[in-house]
Amino acid sequence: LAKTTQPISMDSYEGQEVNITCSHNNIATNDYITWYQQFPSQGPRFIIQGYKTKVTNEVASLFIPADRKSSTLSLPRVSLSDTAVYYCLVVGTDKLIFGTGTRLQVFP
Amino acid sequence: NAGVTQTPKFRVLKTGQSMTLLCAQDMNHEYMYWYRQDPGMGLRLIHYSVGEGTTAKGEVPDGYNVSRLKKQNFLLGLESAAPSQTSVYFCASSYTGLVSNQPQHFGDGTRLSIL
Repeated sequence: LAKTTQPISMDSYEGQEVNITCSHNNIATNDYITWYQQFPSQGPRFIIQGYKTKVTNEVASLFIPADRKSSTLSLPRVSLSDTAVYYCLVVGTDKLIFGTGTRLQVFP
Repeated sequence: NAGVTQTPKFRVLKTGQSMTLLCAQDMNHEYMYWYRQDPGMGLRLIHYSVGEGTTAKGEVPDGYNVSRLKKQNFLLGLESAAPSQTSVYFCASSYTGLVSNQPQHFGDGTRLSIL
């Protein structure tokens, strides 16, 4: 059974770049990697999704190495409002495996 | 456009009681999902549905039943609640499902306590 592992927590300061890595062993050829952001008392919110190499949108970048056994969510120039829990998710045939989440705290 | 709406938002039950959690989506999504979220364990898939009239088991289905009689609604039932089912329950929907690049849209959760 695929398992996803993330650091429990990370601290940063406003304006810095934050990189959160997720390890996903036994990822299958057709599996996608998705990242979500969650604020207290809210449901997770989609950030970015990728299959391989690099994907970038207006809020984040996602780096996936060739072996696809890990992925890194990159948040450029974080602000206080980026304080949240970040989850990676591996999506595939009959598979939806969330990581345990990384709590990001951004300080002024 | 409300997205995904979950009712109720909070509920306290006694052991052995039954209840149904309702999830409604107005995005015409085919796929719907029920998760539970426990401290330190992320989100775990309970059941999901790939379309009206269909359901399938997820990672932790025991003690729960689901129904998808209408495309826009996905119900999660607890027949005989147990303290181990105390959790926050999230519903989600997506246009397409597994093995796709369509993101899931989540409701804001139902906080369920079982005494």
